[in-house]
Amino acid sequence: AQKITQTQPGMFVQEKEAVTLDCTYDTSDQSYGLFWYKQPSSGEMIFLIYQGSYDEQNATEGRYSLNFQKARKSANLVISASQLGDSAMYFCGEYEKLVFGKGTKLTVNP
Amino acid sequence: DSGVTQTPKHLITATGQRVTLRCSPRSGDLSVYWYQQSLDQGLQFLIQYYNGEERAKGNILERFSAQQFPDLHSELNLSSLELGDSALYFCASSVAPSSLQETQYFGPGTRLLVL
Repeated sequence: AQKITQTQPGMFVQEKEAVTLDCTYDTSDQSYGLFWYKQPSSGEMIFLIYQGSYDEQNATEGRYSLNFQKARKSANLVISASQLGDSAMYFCGEYEKLVFGKGTKLTVNP
Repeated sequence: DSGVTQTPKHLITATGQRVTLRCSPRSGDLSVYWYQQSLDQGLQFLIQYYNGEERAKGNILERFSAQQFPDLHSELNLSSLELGDSALYFCASSVAPSSLQETQYFGPGTRLLVL
């Protein structure tokens, strides 16, 4: 069964610094898609970024990039130049089986 | 604002009762997904509908059922409610049923409290 693991329950970062949120996945499928969502304290789920298993380049969306290492089965989210508004829960997931990790709570300190 | 609407925002009910959660997808989206988010189980996929037909099933209990209507709105019915059903229930929508590049847009959720 597909499994998504986020090993960091909580992370702290200083404003304007970069931070990496870890995500590993376990699948035997050849074709799959990985994504990240952000959930602020208000509760809504906001789509951030997507990476397909056949994409040769790492996905980027503004300050978000996905460090995709297929051999290691990792899809880490990198947030550059952190802002106070980045404080939220971040969820990694897989599209085919619609499985999410437990999430990482990011706190950005001023 | 994702364009996905969910009603009600909050719901408080008692054990043994039945409730219906409603979702309207983004304009043009044919696929609707339901998720449950609880503190102990995290975010779990329940069920997906595409253009009125059930497309995929996740960890949905037999006490729960859903449907998608011709106007594409969807309802999630929860019956014989238990304390453990207290959670945030999300609806999400996407254009296509199972494209690996299909972004799901989430609604604001319905917070259910079972007392």
